Amino acid sequence: DAGVIQSPRHEVTEMGQEVTLRCKPISGHNSLFWYRQTMMRGLELLIYFNNNVPIDDSGMPEDRFSAKMPNASFSTLKIQPSEPRDSAVYFCASSLRYYSNQPQHFGDGTRLSIL
Amino acid sequence: DAKTTQPNSMESNEEEPVHLPCNHSTISGTDYIHWYRQLPSQGPEYVIHGLTSNVNNRMASLAIAEDRKSSTLILHRATLRDAAVYYCILRDVGNSGGGADGLTFGKGTHLIIQP
Repeated sequence: DAGVIQSPRHEVTEMGQEVTLRCKPISGHNSLFWYRQTMMRGLELLIYFNNNVPIDDSGMPEDRFSAKMPNASFSTLKIQPSEPRDSAVYFCASSLRYYSNQPQHFGDGTRLSIL
Repeated sequence: DAKTTQPNSMESNEEEPVHLPCNHSTISGTDYIHWYRQLPSQGPEYVIHGLTSNVNNRMASLAIAEDRKSSTLILHRATLRDAAVYYCILRDVGNSGGGADGLTFGKGTHLIIQP
């Protein structure tokens, strides 16, 4: 079975540029999560969706960050404009919605470097 | 969310059992205990979860104290591939309304396996 697929795996761009990270959840999963991992702050939840609807975006650091889920099989996390402090590994995860005990399945992440 | 406390790091020898402790003295009656691990350069991976009774699966065992204020993840025969950061996470299913929610990661335990 295909797992959670994230693209790109690595992204290097200059400050001020727009960055778009992509995620394809596991087929049949209806909850999708975006996390960020840095050395200083560890793994942090940014936002999550249930049935394509954003439920909690309180972890999104600033208005420069936005996330969308136009359909059940695709989500994007966009940073515009990007800043060096946005450099991190960004993970997408998916799970079945109906019970909170369903495990979350993580992608391999996108390593983002903002110069 | 109720908080968990784990040792920063532990070391063990290959092919020996490993016991990873987690304290959660403020756990509520509706908190499930989940364990995830993160191998180097990968996304977190679900390991096991439980509520009150001890649990076993193909990856590990989870031993839960009778008062539920602590738990132990047991790897029965560690291999080099088990070297990872292990996270103990509480998930409250009591007020989630049946919907999935995000994971709150602490710093976890960095498990080192010596050959």
